[in-house]
Amino acid sequence: DIQMTQSPSTLSASVGDRVTITCRASQNIYNWLAWYQQKPGKAPKVLIYKASNLESGVPSRFSGSGSGTEFSLTISSLQPDDSATYYCQQYNAYSFAFGQGTKLEIK
Amino acid sequence: QVQLQESGPGLVRPSETLSLTCSVSGDSITSSSYYWGWFRQAPGKEPEWLAYMYNSGKINFNPSLRSRTTISVDTAKNQFSLNLFSVTAADTAVYFCARAPRYSGAWERSFDIWGQGTTVAVS
Repeated sequence: DIQMTQSPSTLSASVGDRVTITCRASQNIYNWLAWYQQKPGKAPKVLIYKASNLESGVPSRFSGSGSGTEFSLTISSLQPDDSATYYCQQYNAYSFAFGQGTKLEIK
Repeated sequence: QVQLQESGPGLVRPSETLSLTCSVSGDSITSSSYYWGWFRQAPGKEPEWLAYMYNSGKINFNPSLRSRTTISVDTAKNQFSLNLFSVTAADTAVYFCARAPRYSGAWERSFDIWGQGTTVAVS
């Protein structure tokens, strides 16, 4: 089984800050990685697919990078609406494992 | 615009079977352009993939739940359903259905359209 590990688990930052969340895979997943944003009581919303591709309609302040086993999600200038939990997810035909999540709070 | 809507019983007794339905509007579940999947999310936990189907009958299951899970399709109603057998308290979660684009059989993208979820308690 592929295991996904995110860090940090919680993050507190101010509006305008640049924040980065990291995700590590237990084995090489090439670039088959997505990032999701989830707000309380809502379904996950995809932000990034294939490690670095911005989903249509997602603000350009979100970006993803990495390949192999190390990945990151960066928000270039934090906005109040970005308060949420963020998950990385590896995907292939037989496995869709999520990281444990990073809860992002706005100071 | 495609929309997915889950429906379910809300409360299921231990050892019984959980049956959930995903109603799809704005697209056909028989389309070869998409995968249709099920996920769940226990309170305070990350989402967990359960299964997905494509081509109106080909199915891949999460190996950890394969023995307790089936998926069926009602093309006339444009719905697909999940059955989870012999439920326990550990199956208490919000259950989501979702759609992913399919490109020539490859997984270029993950699930991009999700239903709002339906809460299931096992008690």
